[in-house]
Order: sequence, then C-alpha cells, then structure tokens
Amino acid sequence: SQTIHQWPATLVQPVGSPLSLECTVEGTSNPNLYWYRQAAGRGLQLLFYSVGIGQISSEVPQNLSASRPQDRQFILSSKKLLLSDSGFYLCAWSRAGTNTGELFFGEGSRLTVL
Amino acid sequence: RKEVEQDPGPFNVPEGATVAFNCTYSNSASQSFFWYRQDCRKEPKLLMSVYSSGNEDGRFTAQLNRASQYISLLIRDSKLSDSATYLCVTRAAGNKLTFGGGTRVLVKP
Repeated sequence: SQTIHQWPATLVQPVGSPLSLECTVEGTSNPNLYWYRQAAGRGLQLLFYSVGIGQISSEVPQNLSASRPQDRQFILSSKKLLLSDSGFYLCAWSRAGTNTGELFFGEGSRLTVL
Repeated sequence: RKEVEQDPGPFNVPEGATVAFNCTYSNSASQSFFWYRQDCRKEPKLLMSVYSSGNEDGRFTAQLNRASQYISLLIRDSKLSDSATYLCVTRAAGNKLTFGGGTRVLVKP
C-alpha cells in the first residue's frame, strides 16, 4: 500500500530564517507530487506541483521554492521566511496518468513564523 | 472572484437531521468534481466524486448542475462524526485541482 510521510509536523521559526519541509511517498512510482498551503480559515492554495524528477511548476510567485531530487521525494524550502508564510503546509501525491482527482495528503506541517 | 466558492458556515445541524450545501465554480472548462472532507487540524481526504447524473454513497448525495455551475452535497441522518469541513474541488484539464474554502458542518446532539 502507498503511504506519504511529511515532516516536521510543527515548527516555529523567526522571520528571516530558512525553511525546509520534506515529503516522501512509498509504495508507488512516478507519482505526481504537490505542495499546498492552507492559511487559517481559508482554502488550499496550490504552491508547486511536479510530474517527475527535476520538473517543478510554480503556481504562485513567492519566496518559496520546491525541489524533487528523487522520484518520491519533494522538498519545500525558503531562504528567508516572512510572517505571511505562516500556515498549514500539505504535501500530496496522485497517480500519474490518471484523472481520478484523488489526492492523498500527508498529515501536514504547521508553520508559525514569529 | 474565487474560482470555487463555498459558504463557510458553520451549519449547525441537530443529530439525525438532513443538511445540504452548495458550491459554485466559475471555470466553465471544469471537467471533474469532488467533495473532500477535512477534520479539524487534519489533512483533507476524498469523500466522493460527483457524477453528472448525481450519485449517492450511503447517507451522502452529491449533485452536479453544469448549466448553473454548482455542485451540492446532502447529508442525511447526520451523525456526530459528520462534523467536519467539506471542501468542494474541481478539476479542469490536467491534474491540477482547485479547492474551495470549505463549508464547516457541526452536528450537535
């Protein structure tokens, strides 16, 4: 069976500090991978998605970046966090080549920037 | 205007009652539609897909109205465990999904 792991679960960071969130998927190959952000009381905003190693599409211009160094690894980074980067970050995967619309989400990383 | 709009609620529902709510979408090229459920401080999970002819899954019924560009979710015989935020999701060409802001449902005894 497929599983998705995301870490850390919670972090508190000062403004201007760097960020690295990691996500790995097990039990499947060549998944589509996604990073979403959910601000308090708001919907999910797609930040990045990837259909393969090294292939990253950015949906929203911001001070965040994403990388996919391995097939089942997706990393969200920032060099300098802003207060507005606070939120609930969710990694997700879907099966490549299908249009079922089913995303499988990790448990999320709750980021507070102070 | 948001691409997918939902009444944020909360909808306060007596246990055993029926609750229904809609979601409107602006992209006429949307091809597929879904309802996801998100518990407080948890990740969203797929509840059900929405088919053109409408579909049921137990106590849940989803409807699609392409002409008016909205989908609906109806929950019958509400349980306390149905308390959650229900996210409306659309998909146009490709695998990118667009999420609504969610409708919060609180089922009370």
